[in-house]
Amino acid sequence: QKEVEQNSGPLSVPEGAIASLNCTYSDRGSQSFFWYRQYSGKSPELIMSIYSNGDKEDGRFTAQLNKASQYVSLLIRDSQPSDSATYLCAVADFGNEKLTFGTGTRLTIIP
Amino acid sequence: ETGVTQTPRHLVMGMTNKKSLKCEQHLGHNAMYWYKQSAKKPLELMFVYNFKEQTENNSVPSRFSPECPNSSHLFLHLHTLQPEDSALYLCASSQENRPTSYEQYFGPGTRLTVT
Repeated sequence: QKEVEQNSGPLSVPEGAIASLNCTYSDRGSQSFFWYRQYSGKSPELIMSIYSNGDKEDGRFTAQLNKASQYVSLLIRDSQPSDSATYLCAVADFGNEKLTFGTGTRLTIIP
Repeated sequence: ETGVTQTPRHLVMGMTNKKSLKCEQHLGHNAMYWYKQSAKKPLELMFVYNFKEQTENNSVPSRFSPECPNSSHLFLHLHTLQPEDSALYLCASSQENRPTSYEQYFGPGTRLTVT
């Protein structure tokens, strides 16, 4: 059974600080990694994808992947109240369209 | 219309009813998915269609019946549901045969309540 683990939170971060969200996965064959943001009552929105070890930056968001440690993280710089949401980590095997999702981390940015 | 659309957005049905959920994607993708999202649980993949062919049926009860007439439309037919089937049902699509082929884009979902 493939598993994706996330701390459910809530994670509270002051406005303007860096929010750090973490995810571990059990299947070493996983090749594709995604972060989705889900506002309350809304559907998940893809915000980052990462496929190789290291960092990938997009605006205020940085995804970090360490396949040896089976660990992927999302950093949000200069956190804004609009970043308050649940963040879902998802992974997929190479050549497999199936995503395995974690339960999500609820993030609250405190003004 | 843009992205992935779903109708209806909200549905209340009795256990003896038959209803259908509809999903349409306007992204030119060739894979479509049904997910179930319940409180405190990870997103559960129900069905996958790739080029209109069902490639995944994740041990879903037969009271859920998918239909994919073409690569842009996906239906989920519901009958004799149970109260525990109440959840948010999400449709997603992705483009296969690309390096980023597993980036799935979700519709707004249908909030289903079974009474």
